[in-house]
Amino acid sequence: NAGVTQTPKFRILKIGQSMTLQCTQDMNHNYMYWYRQDPGMGLKLIYYSVGAGITDKGEVPNGYNVSRSTTEDFPLRLELAAPSQTSVYFCASSYGSALTDTQYFGPGTRLTVL
Amino acid sequence: DAKTTQPPSMDCAEGRAANLPCNHSTISGNEYVYWYRQIHSQGPQYIIHGLKNNETNEMASLIITEDRKSSTLILPHATLRDTAVYYCIVRVAPGNQFYFGTGTSLTVIP
Repeated sequence: NAGVTQTPKFRILKIGQSMTLQCTQDMNHNYMYWYRQDPGMGLKLIYYSVGAGITDKGEVPNGYNVSRSTTEDFPLRLELAAPSQTSVYFCASSYGSALTDTQYFGPGTRLTVL
Repeated sequence: DAKTTQPPSMDCAEGRAANLPCNHSTISGNEYVYWYRQIHSQGPQYIIHGLKNNETNEMASLIITEDRKSSTLILPHATLRDTAVYYCIVRVAPGNQFYFGTGTSLTVIP
C-alpha cells in the first residue's frame, strides 16, 4: 500500500490564482482530512470528510473548498490564493471515527503564495 | 483549542530515556490521548494512544495518571533519529478530529 499520497510536493502561486491540491489514499478509509501547518505551529484542521459525498468544516475553512466524490480522493481547492495561505498542507485518512482510530498522514504539499 | 499543554522544548542524551510530559486537564471520560511525532516537517507519524491504562508498543510507552489529567510519553532508549516535534493530542468527536498544539521539540544529543 502506498498509504496517503499528495501532489504536488511544492507549488508557488501568484496572488489571485487558483489551484487544487490532490490527495489519494489506498487503505479504503472512510474518513479523510485536510490540515495546514504554518511555520513553528501545530497542524490546524481545514476540512474533513466522513465518506463520499459528505464533507464538513474544521477550524480554518475560509478560502478553501473540498469535494469527496470517491472514497479514495479528497481534493482541496484554493480559489483566490492569498499570501496568508502560504503553508504546508497535509492530508490524512482514518478508517472511521471510533475513539481508537488513528490518522495516517501524507508527506505534505508546500505552498507559497507571492 | 488544543486541549493539551506541552513544554516547548527538551533535550535528551542519546541512549537515555526521554520523558515527554503533557497536561490535558479538561479531557473527557471517553477521550483518548494520542501521541504523534513530526520529523523535519514530514507528515506526522503515529506513535501510541491510550485511554486510562498504561500502554506500550515497539516505539514507546504511555503513562496516564489515574485522574487522566496528564500523561507522559517515554522513549526508552533515545536515538538521534528520535529528534522531532512530539504532539500530544486529545481526540475530539465528532469526526475523529485531532487538535494539534505546538508540541515539544525533542533534541537527542550525542
